[in-house]
Amino acid sequence: DQQVKQNSPSLSVQEGRISILNCDYTNSMFDYFLWYKKYPAEGPTFLISISSIKDKNEDGRFTVFLNKSAKHLSLHIVPSQPGDSAVYFCAATSGSARQLTFGSGTQLTVLP
Amino acid sequence: GAGVSQSPSNKVTEKGKDVELRCDPISGHTALYWYRQSLGQGLEFLIYFQGNSAPDKSGLPSDRFSAERTGGSVSTLTIQRTQQEDSAVYLCASSLLFSGNTIYFGEGSWLTVV
Repeated sequence: DQQVKQNSPSLSVQEGRISILNCDYTNSMFDYFLWYKKYPAEGPTFLISISSIKDKNEDGRFTVFLNKSAKHLSLHIVPSQPGDSAVYFCAATSGSARQLTFGSGTQLTVLP
Repeated sequence: GAGVSQSPSNKVTEKGKDVELRCDPISGHTALYWYRQSLGQGLEFLIYFQGNSAPDKSGLPSDRFSAERTGGSVSTLTIQRTQQEDSAVYLCASSLLFSGNTIYFGEGSWLTVV
């Protein structure tokens, strides 16, 4: 039973446009959410996070939105750049947990 | 090195053989994690070490999997009697303490069981 789901395995976006990556979760105990980015042959790297007490967190071109009632979060990248092409993983954890629960990832391709 | 180092980067083994995967965390990091990613799947938590505390082994999929961390630094993940479903990328990560945004991942060890 996947507690964190990324239902879109891939997404293609034109350079300069907005990329929207979606993530759904089922565990209502999750209170901290993160996005990781992964290039081929590299380990995942942290991108941005959000606590459940917030509904939005912004860092430069990256914004994460959290809708607790819908158990849904999304990552917006604007404007998208070719260098953003990577696999994006959504992850979640609860206060007492030590491990992150990851989604299956979305391959983002930004076309020049 | 500056980052998390894993070896081997690639391993092909025959079904039924044992394999050992090594992780050298960032110096000074007290927390160490093992995850694996099977084809088309997300990162699956395996085990967590924090300082001298007993490890959290709740993610290990079977008793064929074990891990140890010697001297609070290097960790070895051992898979006994490998099966084809063990084929995956095994990722090690470390952090100063648990805080999702300061977890640093290694490049992973690709394991293929034939």
